[in-house]
Amino acid sequence: QSALTQPRSVSGSPGQSVTISCTGTSSDVGAYNYVSWIQQHPGKAPKLMIYDVSKRPSGVPDRFSGSKSGNTASLTISGLQAEDETDYYCYSYAGNYVVFGGGTKLTVL
Amino acid sequence: EVQLVESGGGLVQPGGSLRLSCSASRFTFSGHWMHWVRQAPGKGLVWVAGISSDGSDTKYADSAKGRFTISRDNAKNTLCLQMNTLRVEDTAVYFCVLGSVLATWGQGALVTVSS
Repeated sequence: QSALTQPRSVSGSPGQSVTISCTGTSSDVGAYNYVSWIQQHPGKAPKLMIYDVSKRPSGVPDRFSGSKSGNTASLTISGLQAEDETDYYCYSYAGNYVVFGGGTKLTVL
Repeated sequence: EVQLVESGGGLVQPGGSLRLSCSASRFTFSGHWMHWVRQAPGKGLVWVAGISSDGSDTKYADSAKGRFTISRDNAKNTLCLQMNTLRVEDTAVYFCVLGSVLATWGQGALVTVSS
């Protein structure tokens, strides 16, 4: 049950696009199309942004998109806004458990 | 709007036990998988355990196997996590989470294991 690998931090300027990667193995990310992304502001409950690799829950802006290639999933945020600055976590179904990434702090410059 | 409210957190000594509860409302509780996810202070999220909609299937992280038990009472719309033989490293905020895609999260309950 090893954690998925995310970059510790990424940054971008307002209006730009950033991509956060999430690398797993052929037993989790690579095996299932069940990768999700959540956003967590400090001290708050996480909010689901993307599920099943690329689906957006109702209410999530279409600036947020997800994709997957092999054992690596990605979250792309386009048209960066100040309120996007916070922590993002990926996670994947892995058969008998769920595995999270270590989290990525997004800084909007 | 879906509501998940955790309770039962607190301070416990190493080796002790604690039972967390999660009261669910405004959705059909009996129709969904439910999970517990924890977050140690200043750290990332870690999945702890999950339970099927009817309670017949349970899954645990290696760190929880043999010490924690997840259960649910669909008549009372309540999810529970019984935690035994607690360790200092179990100190965390424990979130109750709805659905197979972890769609909705409660605000969390703080568990502190310390002597």
